[in-house]
Amino acid sequence: KAGVTQTPRYLIKTRGQQVTLSCSPISGHRSVSWYQQTPGQGLQFLFEYFSETQRNKGNFPGRFSGRQFSNSRSEMNVSTLELGDSALYLCASGTGVGVGGTEAFFGQGTRLTVV
Amino acid sequence: AQTVTQSQPEMSVQEAETVTLSCTYDTSESNYYLFWYKQPPSRQMILVIRQEAYKQQNATENRFSVNFQKAAKSFSLKISDSQLGDTAMYFCAFRSGIGDMRFGAGTRLTVKP
Repeated sequence: KAGVTQTPRYLIKTRGQQVTLSCSPISGHRSVSWYQQTPGQGLQFLFEYFSETQRNKGNFPGRFSGRQFSNSRSEMNVSTLELGDSALYLCASGTGVGVGGTEAFFGQGTRLTVV
Repeated sequence: AQTVTQSQPEMSVQEAETVTLSCTYDTSESNYYLFWYKQPPSRQMILVIRQEAYKQQNATENRFSVNFQKAAKSFSLKISDSQLGDTAMYFCAFRSGIGDMRFGAGTRLTVKP
């Protein structure tokens, strides 16, 4: 069974630009979560989708948005990039939301660098 | 609000020895799961072990075991017979209800030959 696939693996963008990251969950998984990982802040929850609906949202500005498609693939968009958005963005998939979904399976992440 | 605290930013252990990583959490929920994830330098997060709060028996996966103290809200990870491949960041995580998974700040473990 293929794991969680994130594309691209690396990305360099300029301040003010926007970026879209993609995540393909494990086949059969309907939940996708996104996290931002930085050395200073650790793993910060961005949002979680289940069956194309956003179920949970973290404390991030509106520049961060996401969506989930009918095939469970998810995209995350960051508009008006700032230097502080440089981070490793991790996607995780699961079978459900909350304790119904128990563990999360992670992708390898997208390393975003904003210059 | 649920919080997860890992008080040991860095730890080291000699190969073949045993090491224990600490984790405490705060919640008012009664039904939840706890996890330990490993993130090697290759950066992909891998589930090490999980514990269901309603189970009193501590989870074990080969060389990895937990000490789950529900009343104390403590969830430590013991790694026995440490191997060089165990070198990684270890994250403790908590999930309850329909909430998101919350992570601790991580402990960087180095296994020395």
